[in-house]
Amino acid sequence: AQSVTQLGSHVSVSEGALVLLRCNYSSSVPPYLFWYVQYPNQGLQLLLKYTTGATLVKGINGFEAEFKKSETSFHLTKPSAHMSDAAEYFCAVILNQAGTALIFGKGTTLSVSS
Amino acid sequence: DAGVIQSPRHEVTEMGQEVTLRCKPISGHNSLFWYRQTMMRGLELLIYFNNNVPIDDSGMPEDRFSAKMPNASFSTLKIQPSEPRDSAVYFCASSSNSGGYGYTFGSGTRLTVV
Repeated sequence: AQSVTQLGSHVSVSEGALVLLRCNYSSSVPPYLFWYVQYPNQGLQLLLKYTTGATLVKGINGFEAEFKKSETSFHLTKPSAHMSDAAEYFCAVILNQAGTALIFGKGTTLSVSS
Repeated sequence: DAGVIQSPRHEVTEMGQEVTLRCKPISGHNSLFWYRQTMMRGLELLIYFNNNVPIDDSGMPEDRFSAKMPNASFSTLKIQPSEPRDSAVYFCASSSNSGGYGYTFGSGTRLTVV
């Protein structure tokens, strides 16, 4: 079975600073990996995904993530934080096979201060 | 495309009452998922359907919970009788058959059982 671990339930950065949200996964077969963002009182919005091919993937709002198979990681980064990035971020994994569903990490709340 | 539509947005009910949550997936998506979000447990998969057929309901917490998908454009999640510990935000999501596309989430139903 697959699982996702997000290190740090809360990350605080200053506006303009680097954002790094950590995600590690476990999976018996090559997984598909996702990052979602949730703003207060809203549903989840897809930020970016890795399925196959290039291991560095770019998403919306300037975010990117790199799939590192050797480290079983899929960390999310953004070079310069903006106040509007404050939200909760979820890493998720799904196996590339029928009959499976997305499994989410516990989430990381990102705070951005001016 | 109107996205995944959930109703109601908010529901307050008394303990012991029946609650029905509704979801209309994106047209053409043939997989539908119900998740529950709480502070303590994060996002939990309750049940998912593929082509209107329940595939995995192992996440449904108790027999008080039931879900149906009578056709490709409608699903319900019912709790009978409801209990205070059922208070949570319930999300519906849909996707195409390929998990690699990710899921589209609705805005959720915030359920409060008093």
